[in-house]
Amino acid sequence: GAVVSQHPSWVICKSGTSVKIECRSLDFQATTMFWYRQFPKQSLMLMATSNEGSKATYEQGVEKDKFLINHASLTLSTLTVTSAHPEDSSFYICSAREGGAFSYNEQFFGPGTRLTVL
Amino acid sequence: KQEVTQIPAALSVPEGENLVLNCSFTDSAIYNLQWFRQDPGKGLTSLLLIQSSQREQTSGRLNASLDKSSGRSTLYIAASQPGDSATYLCAALGGYGNKLVFGAGTILRVKS
Repeated sequence: GAVVSQHPSWVICKSGTSVKIECRSLDFQATTMFWYRQFPKQSLMLMATSNEGSKATYEQGVEKDKFLINHASLTLSTLTVTSAHPEDSSFYICSAREGGAFSYNEQFFGPGTRLTVL
Repeated sequence: KQEVTQIPAALSVPEGENLVLNCSFTDSAIYNLQWFRQDPGKGLTSLLLIQSSQREQTSGRLNASLDKSSGRSTLYIAASQPGDSATYLCAALGGYGNKLVFGAGTILRVKS
């Protein structure tokens, strides 16, 4: 199956700093990438959808100025948590698929990034 | 708006038992339904994907069924093993933008 990687796998930062998480599709062109967050013992909640070369679409309640998403190429999307605070501590998971907004190709998931903000 | 519900929230069974995990969704206009496994602190492992035109999919000891009309899917695990202990998530694909909507998951513990 298709492989999606995330880097870093875990990160600890101080409150007020920014953290960048990378999501890469290793063996296919990811026209669309998704970013999810997962709090302990809860399910995945979609944060935003990004299509290569265009602005991300954020879900209701997600601050776009706080969670900056860049999808500059067909194999790389980045999520930057700006001015991180302890409440941003969570498990962030990306997924990727071939095809645009109306595609129903399978999504392939990365291994996740554990963010801890002190 | 699609809502996905999973029952039970947690399940503990002795090794060797056959078990069924349930998933229901409110909007039957889905393209597919997918079952995932998640181990603690890890990402998602895709187990089975059922297209909307299919009734079931099988992989080894796992069998997933889909009934779009009733908005239900089940994941059947035969001869459970301690290594099956994990959280099982179902997710329905559909709606504008074709987004995956996840259930809250079933935490499975198989006791040896």
